[in-house]
Amino acid sequence: QVRLQESGPGLVKPSQTLSLTCSVSDDSITSDSHHWNWIRQPAGKALEWVGRIHISGSTNYNPSLKRRVTISLDTSKNQFSLQLTSVTAADTAVYYCTRSSFFLSYGLDVWGQGTTVTVSS
Amino acid sequence: IVLTQSPGTLSLSPGERATLSCRASESVLSDYFAWYQQKPGQAPRLLIYGVSSRATGVPDRFSGSGSGTDFTLTINRLEPEDSAVYFCQQFGSSPLFTFGPGTKVNI
Repeated sequence: QVRLQESGPGLVKPSQTLSLTCSVSDDSITSDSHHWNWIRQPAGKALEWVGRIHISGSTNYNPSLKRRVTISLDTSKNQFSLQLTSVTAADTAVYYCTRSSFFLSYGLDVWGQGTTVTVSS
Repeated sequence: IVLTQSPGTLSLSPGERATLSCRASESVLSDYFAWYQQKPGQAPRLLIYGVSSRATGVPDRFSGSGSGTDFTLTINRLEPEDSAVYFCQQFGSSPLFTFGPGTKVNI
């Protein structure tokens, strides 16, 4: 069973960089059929797609965050990562790493448990 | 694309049918439309993909339909475990993934 696990600091100071890693088990991030995504959800609010990456190196980002976001792959560790620069309180949210599958019409079929990131001094 | 869900909250009894709606501000690309269930403190779970296909392990009480700008999630024979927030999602228009605000279902 494929599993995703987020890791990273739970507290980030304003103006600093948020860095999270997603470890993938029982699947390979080199799979051509999958994209690896980050989704976030502020408390009590809707889900917001942050961005995605494919083994080809192709990335797509939410235009509202594009200037501040970088998603990368580490194939040696079967992990992918999120960096979000110049954070503010508006970036406080639960961050999920997810997998989307071409064969499921890009449905997000596997989710990590989520990690809470608070932006505060 | 902006997704709007209605109603905001739905309160029903076990055994009844729930009908959840999601309307898109523009036509959704192909069949790139999905529904998710989220229970408190948990990550969302994919229920329906490709408008009407059930994800692995999803009971056949759940069904999806629709096209263009109007989509529906129907839950037959409601069970207490179906209490959750349900989100719709489209893929393809900028931003690549957008989600609706959710419908809370209370059983």
